[in-house]
Amino acid sequence: DVKVTQSSRYLVKRTGEKVFLECVQDMDHENMFWYRQDPGLGLRLIYFSYDVKMKEKGDIPEGYSVSREKKERFSLILESASTNQTSMYLCASRSHRGNNYEQYFGPGTRLTVT
Amino acid sequence: DQQVKQNSPSLSVQEGRISILNCDYTNSMFDYFLWYKKYPAEGPTFLISISSIKDKNEDGRFTVFLNKSAKHLSLHIVPSQPGDSAVYFCAASLLGPMYSGGGADGLTFGKGTHLIIQP
Repeated sequence: DVKVTQSSRYLVKRTGEKVFLECVQDMDHENMFWYRQDPGLGLRLIYFSYDVKMKEKGDIPEGYSVSREKKERFSLILESASTNQTSMYLCASRSHRGNNYEQYFGPGTRLTVT
Repeated sequence: DQQVKQNSPSLSVQEGRISILNCDYTNSMFDYFLWYKKYPAEGPTFLISISSIKDKNEDGRFTVFLNKSAKHLSLHIVPSQPGDSAVYFCAASLLGPMYSGGGADGLTFGKGTHLIIQP
């Protein structure tokens, strides 16, 4: 079974703090993604990576950066957290081999910025 | 502008009956569609998908129908069970399984429909 893990289930941070969200997958997937989920807005893509050290902006990259130094790990960084970044953050991974576009999601990190 | 729309925020269905969740899209370049199910405090889990070259895909109690001319897809759950109560997300991709380039574009999700199965 594919396993995607996220470093924290719940986080509370103060405005202006630097926040790191970590994601690890164990299936040797090339592609990894960060989404945020907000009520009434569904899931929105923040950044994705299709290989080590490669990254691409998604639909809402402002206020975020990412790092992918190893294939299995994809980090989301909030340089200076703000209250409008309070959200559920979901990491996903996918292999670009095969015949489907299924993405496997981690359990999510509920981040609250006060 | 929302490219994938789920116009029903919630749907209530009696146990044992059919649940029909609808999804519309505007981008005709989408060629692969997926349904995800999400429980509170968990990540979404993949349910079923369909390529644009098909109009139906079935997996156990779940069937997805695609009407390309109407840019509409639907998920049918028969019979509905209490464990089906969850939020269902429709998602679309620009790069379907026929693409061999390994593109990693993220999925475009709808806002979700909260399905409630009544006992």
